[in-house]
Amino acid sequence: NAGVTQTPKFRILKIGQSMTLQCTQDMNHNYMYWYRQDPGMGLKLIYYSVGAGITDKGEVPNGYNVSRSTTEDFPLRLELAAPSQTSVYFCASSRTLAEQYFGPGTRLTVT
Amino acid sequence: KQEVTQIPAALSVPEGENLVLNCSFTDSAIYNLQWFRQDPGKGLTSLLLIQSSQREQTSGRLNASLDKSSGRSTLYIAASQPGDSATYLCAVNQAGTALIFGKGTTLSVSS
Repeated sequence: NAGVTQTPKFRILKIGQSMTLQCTQDMNHNYMYWYRQDPGMGLKLIYYSVGAGITDKGEVPNGYNVSRSTTEDFPLRLELAAPSQTSVYFCASSRTLAEQYFGPGTRLTVT
Repeated sequence: KQEVTQIPAALSVPEGENLVLNCSFTDSAIYNLQWFRQDPGKGLTSLLLIQSSQREQTSGRLNASLDKSSGRSTLYIAASQPGDSATYLCAVNQAGTALIFGKGTTLSVSS
């Protein structure tokens, strides 16, 4: 049982490039989330999903897109990367109204 | 809009001391509250989850309390150890989906 896994662990992007952050969970959780954490700040929600085929925006969705075609996977797409997207990205999953489990994070730098 | 505040932002204590970390939230209409631990450069580890109907939860040397009516939670750490050094994050689940985080308290326990 690996829990929540994320790839890659680190990535450097040039301004204007695009990439996909991968997230997979093996706990059969219906809810999945993407958060970002800026230095010295708490985490902020980007997007979330309550099940396959259903996604919704969080507090800071601009510049990102998501899809959820399976229960296990919830990729986050960055289009036209900007320096403001330099951050650490965390994926999480949970059952309804239950404890959230987090992945190890992806550290992204946009230069 | 729900806001979560953690005081103090940083705390230094000698090994063996009992300590309390504070978390306050502005809207008492929450489903649950979760405490996390984050080590530098790492992901979040869930410590305790308190449902809105509960008053406290205990795990080993950790005890978390919840007073929903006053918008407060505390995390009590007994007999602190150097290995407890980390950032502790408090988060509330208000909408039944994603968490709203405080900025954390960075704890340093010296031997």
